[in-house]
Amino acid sequence: KNQVEQSPQSLIILEGKNCTLQCNYTVSPFSNLRWYKQDTGRGPVSLTIMTFSENTKSNGRYTATLDADTKQSSLHITASQLSDSASYICVATETSGSGNTGKLIFGQGTTLQVKP
Amino acid sequence: DAGITQSPRHKVTETGTPVTLRCHQTENHRYMYWYRQDPGHGLRLIHYSYGVKDTDKGEVSDGYSVSRSKTEDFLLTLESATSSQTSVYFCAITSGTGLAGGAYEQYFGPGTRLTVT
Repeated sequence: KNQVEQSPQSLIILEGKNCTLQCNYTVSPFSNLRWYKQDTGRGPVSLTIMTFSENTKSNGRYTATLDADTKQSSLHITASQLSDSASYICVATETSGSGNTGKLIFGQGTTLQVKP
Repeated sequence: DAGITQSPRHKVTETGTPVTLRCHQTENHRYMYWYRQDPGHGLRLIHYSYGVKDTDKGEVSDGYSVSRSKTEDFLLTLESATSSQTSVYFCAITSGTGLAGGAYEQYFGPGTRLTVT
């Protein structure tokens, strides 16, 4: 069964510290890996998209890595800020062979709380 | 929110009543989606549309129907709401053509919180 698992489920860090969130996926055939940030009461917002041939991609203080061989991804947040408090969702795309849109498989998310 | 609005934003309804949620986009994108988000689950696809009057089922489509009579509007209907349909519903669009494997951006609306009592 295609699925995406994230760890930890929740995380508390102090402002200014770095952290790394993990994502393991068992999606095949695999197309790309996405990370979203979801603030409380809002819709998810895309942070990065990496195809299977990309190893790393950055978006400001957010850096995502992808190892397509081990089916693992991580999201590293540098110099955390209070506004980073949110849920971070890992999503793997299962390629559709029919030519229609690929199917997105969502993880349950990691809830990050940044404390002053 | 990439020009996506959802209405209503909050709704409380009783079991057995019909409910329609509306998603409106201003970007003229072809693909539109309805998801639900529940604690302990990742976002799950209910239905999606790949054009006017072209729709298909997602993984949790039972109890839901959709319609798309115009490019900009995608409606989700619960014919007879049940307590298990209490959830937060998100509409989404994709920026690209939706071709298989395409690294297209997917934008989400602000969500509708539905409570069925």
